[in-house]
Order: sequence, then structure tokens, then C-alpha cells
Amino acid sequence: SQTIHQWPATLVQPVGSPLSLECTVEGTSNPNLYWYRQAAGRGLQLLFYSVGIGQISSEVPQNLSASRPQDRQFILSSKKLLLSDSGFYLCAWDKGHSSGANVLTFGAGSRLTVL
Amino acid sequence: EDKVVQSPLSLVVHEGDTVTLNCSYEVTNFRSLLWYKQEKKAPTFLFMLTSSGIEKKSGRLSSILDKKELSSILNITATQTGDSAIYLCAAGSQGNLIFGKGTKLSVKP
Repeated sequence: SQTIHQWPATLVQPVGSPLSLECTVEGTSNPNLYWYRQAAGRGLQLLFYSVGIGQISSEVPQNLSASRPQDRQFILSSKKLLLSDSGFYLCAWDKGHSSGANVLTFGAGSRLTVL
Repeated sequence: EDKVVQSPLSLVVHEGDTVTLNCSYEVTNFRSLLWYKQEKKAPTFLFMLTSSGIEKKSGRLSSILDKKELSSILNITATQTGDSAIYLCAAGSQGNLIFGKGTKLSVKP
């Protein structure tokens, strides 16, 4: 069966510090991978998605970047965090060659607080 | 611009009540409508609806899609405190899911 791992679970970082959140999927190959941010009162906002190694699409221009160095690994990064980067970050995957009718499976999330 | 709107944003009921959560969507190349339940952390999948008028049911939860009205409802009967959560609706277009802001349901004993 497929599993998704995301870490760290919680993170408190000062403004201006770097960020790295990691996500890995097991039990499948060629998944589509996603990073979402969930802020209070704003719902789930898609940040990045990837359909393959090295292929990253950005939905919202901002202070963050994503990379997919391996088929089942997705990394969310920032060089310098802003206060507004605080939130709950969720990694998710679905089957490759998605037609928009596939179920997203989410990781447990990473709660980031920027002080 | 694609959007999904859920109502109400929050709801407080007592155990045993029946609730109906609403979701409307405006999405280009609509493919599917999904419902998720989010308690503490990861949203967990409840239903995926692709055909209009066909009810999906799981225990006390059920959902139906109305493509003509571009909407869906999620019903929960005989609510329990364990149903307290944020319920997320998402509309699938080609290659992407658009999420609503969610409905926060609180079930009081």
C-alpha cells in the first residue's frame, strides 16, 4: 500500500532564516506531488505541483520554492522566511497522468511558525 | 477564475442532530467533486462524485452532486462528537483540485 511521509511536524523559525520541508511517498511510482498551504480562514492554497522529476509548476509567486530531486521526493524551501509564511503546510500525491478525477492523499502536515 | 464556496463556514450542533453542508463550484473543465474530513492534521478522503444525481453513502454520511446547479451537499445524520472536524470540498478540473475554505462542524454532547 502507498504511504506518504512529511517532516518535520512542527517548526518554529525566526524571520530571515531558511526553510526545508520534506515529503516522500512509498509504494507507488511516477506520482503527481503537491504542496499546499492552509492558513486560517483561507482554505487550502496550492503552492506547487510536480508531474515528474525536476518538473515544478508554481501556482502562486512568493517567497518559496520547490524541488523534486527523486521520483518520490518533494521538497519545499525558502532562503529567507517572512512572517507571512507561517501556516500549515501539506504535501499530497495522486496517481500520475491525473485527469483531475483522482483522489489526493495528504501527508500529516507541517506546522510552521515564523517569529 | 475557478472557485469553490462552502457554507456555512461554521456550525454548532448537538449530538443526534442531522446536518447538511453545502458546496458550490465554478470550475473550468469540471471532472469531479471531492469531500474531505480534517480533524487535527491531514485531510482524509470521504467521497468523490462525478455523476449528477447519484448519492454516495458511507454509514451516517452521504453526499450527492447536482451538475445542473453546480453544487453538492454532504449530509451527516445522528451526529456524534467524533464528527467534529473541518469538512473540505474540492472541485477537480483538468490536473488540479480547487478547495473551498471548509465548514467547521462542532458537535456538542
